Amino acid sequence: KAGVTQTPRYLIKTRGQQVTLSCSPISGHRSVSWYQQTPGQGLQFLFEYFSETQRNKGNFPGRFSGRQFSNSRSEMNVSTLELGDSALYLCASSLALNSGELFFGEGSRLTVL
Amino acid sequence: GIQVEQSPPDLILQEGANSTLRCNFSDSVNNLQWFHQNPWGQLINLFYIPSGTKQNGRLSATTVATERYSLLYISSSQTTDSGVYFCAVGQAGTALIFGKGTTLSVSS
Repeated sequence: KAGVTQTPRYLIKTRGQQVTLSCSPISGHRSVSWYQQTPGQGLQFLFEYFSETQRNKGNFPGRFSGRQFSNSRSEMNVSTLELGDSALYLCASSLALNSGELFFGEGSRLTVL
Repeated sequence: GIQVEQSPPDLILQEGANSTLRCNFSDSVNNLQWFHQNPWGQLINLFYIPSGTKQNGRLSATTVATERYSLLYISSSQTTDSGVYFCAVGQAGTALIFGKGTTLSVSS
């Protein structure tokens, strides 16, 4: 069974631009979570989606947003990019909301110049 | 919120040595996972272990939920075990919170 798929794997943007990242969960998984990983802050929770609704949100500014589609695929968007948004963005899926094991994708590595 | 502390922060071993990584957490949890982050950044699931003991080959893990800690044991380490090991915990209705990780370097 295919794992969690994230696209694109690498991207470079400039300050002020926006970016959209995509995540396809494991088949049958309905919950998708997003995390940001930076050397200084480690792994930080962004948000979690279940049944097309945001169920949990981390402590990030409103420039970070996301959505989930009816097929459980999820996208996250970062607007007005800042240098500090350079990070590895990781998506994880699980069978249900706030329960059980999380499975992560390979991540999308964003560099903001 | 819940605090997660991992120790040691760094660990250097010779191939063949054994090691124990520790994860302490500040409150009761109903989810605890151990991950290994590979050089390309992907978090690989090692164990889902909110309580009890599990083994998978050279790796095993024990969580003592009542005392709020978990241990990851690596036996007969290999160079491919190098990387960062993360413990993550969660409570009902909340997201997984990650520790800062233990960076393991195994040399041949």
